[in-house]
Amino acid sequence: AQSVTQLDSHVSVSEGTPVLLRCNYSSSYSPSLFWYVQHPNKGLQLLLKYTSAATLVKGINGFEAEFKKSETSFHLTKPSAHMSDAAEYFCVVSDAGGTSYGKLTFGQGTILTVHP
Amino acid sequence: GAVVSQHPSWVICKSGTSVKIECRSLDFQATTMFWYRQFPKQSLMLMATSNEGSKATYEQGVEKDKFLINHASLTLSTLTVTSAHPEDSSFYICSAVSLAGGPTDTQYFGPGTRLTVL
Repeated sequence: AQSVTQLDSHVSVSEGTPVLLRCNYSSSYSPSLFWYVQHPNKGLQLLLKYTSAATLVKGINGFEAEFKKSETSFHLTKPSAHMSDAAEYFCVVSDAGGTSYGKLTFGQGTILTVHP
Repeated sequence: GAVVSQHPSWVICKSGTSVKIECRSLDFQATTMFWYRQFPKQSLMLMATSNEGSKATYEQGVEKDKFLINHASLTLSTLTVTSAHPEDSSFYICSAVSLAGGPTDTQYFGPGTRLTVL
């Protein structure tokens, strides 16, 4: 079984300040982990993914995430927030090595608000 | 590349009617497509996994006779909501896995279809 917990339902930051969106996961196998972003009335866009290569993963738009197996965490960070980063972010896990190939489990989502 | 489209983007229908939603991979072939449902202010819940040329696999609690899925080709999957009721109103999202994607589970998502049943 696999599960994802996003620790904050809402995060509010000022433009130009760092962003931290927290995610913890549970997986029976070596997981694949993803962060997706969903802007209002738009489809989900892949920000970055971890698939057992480097533990620090760089994604698009300046985002990055670090896989920490000992903490079962995959937190998303960005050094400096931009107004266009305001959206909902989903942490997602997939048991690529198990029988649930292709089956994604989504976290509850974190809404990021960026203030001028 | 890796674009997935959905049609229609929104639909309003009367209770008791059926609605068909199309999901297309525009620039790649997809052996597997997934259908999700997202209620307001909630996360995505997987409804079913659709494999080209075979019957879809439904998640527990999803009525297969109500949500008919057809995956007739490597670029098209359809979801038909039969005898729709107001409680079926939701945001339906599909995703597709590239034939050449390998075991990394990178799913490309469509923009979603907003269904409102009156």
